[in-house]
Amino acid sequence: SQQGEEDPQALSIQEGENATMNCSYKTSINNLQWYRQNSGRGLVHLILIRSNEREKHSGRLRVTLDTSKKSSSLLITASRAADTASYFCATSRPARQLTFGSGTQLTVLP
Amino acid sequence: SAVISQKPSRDICQRGTSLTIQCQVDSQVTMMFWYRQQPGQSLTLIATANQGSEATYESGFVIDKFPISRPNLTFSTLTVSNMSPEDSSIYLCSVVRGSTEAFFGQGTRLTVV
Repeated sequence: SQQGEEDPQALSIQEGENATMNCSYKTSINNLQWYRQNSGRGLVHLILIRSNEREKHSGRLRVTLDTSKKSSSLLITASRAADTASYFCATSRPARQLTFGSGTQLTVLP
Repeated sequence: SAVISQKPSRDICQRGTSLTIQCQVDSQVTMMFWYRQQPGQSLTLIATANQGSEATYESGFVIDKFPISRPNLTFSTLTVSNMSPEDSSIYLCSVVRGSTEAFFGQGTRLTVV
């Protein structure tokens, strides 16, 4: 079953703009991860934020986590056409299986 | 990191037939995971494949429909049996390295006609 919802389901922006995606989850977590998927291919790990962290940066990515609201956001700054992809949040189960959010399809227009 | 080779990358199959998907990892891992991604949807875990024991299936997935083999610590197969058009999906294998980061094969895009 899905861990939670992501919004928006789809987002279309111009190159150079920032893109923000939100994720909500249902259970207690140790960490939350974000993955990217290009054109229905394999997923690539982007960033992990632990439950005791509130914000984390990696290059043009900024992730926030609010455990009181059971929500996270992913911000991509200065977007590029190559950022066009689907983005998923995911939480880990004890045996390290992942439970994914519903995903956001990002389109960056050149 | 982990390198995962998954094949076939895509296939078009007749209903009622079966397809076996192979996943080869570049080093030994205890558990391998199989996910399904239906068109326009997110990923759903099918089962966890352990070497030397039966795979553990998630609710809604059964061994008769999705038999899994795990003959050694670097290889696993997932078979989609007696296929129907509803089985048209992307199937992905995955492993976890370190504490949490998951690595994925490139996926098998299955179309059942």
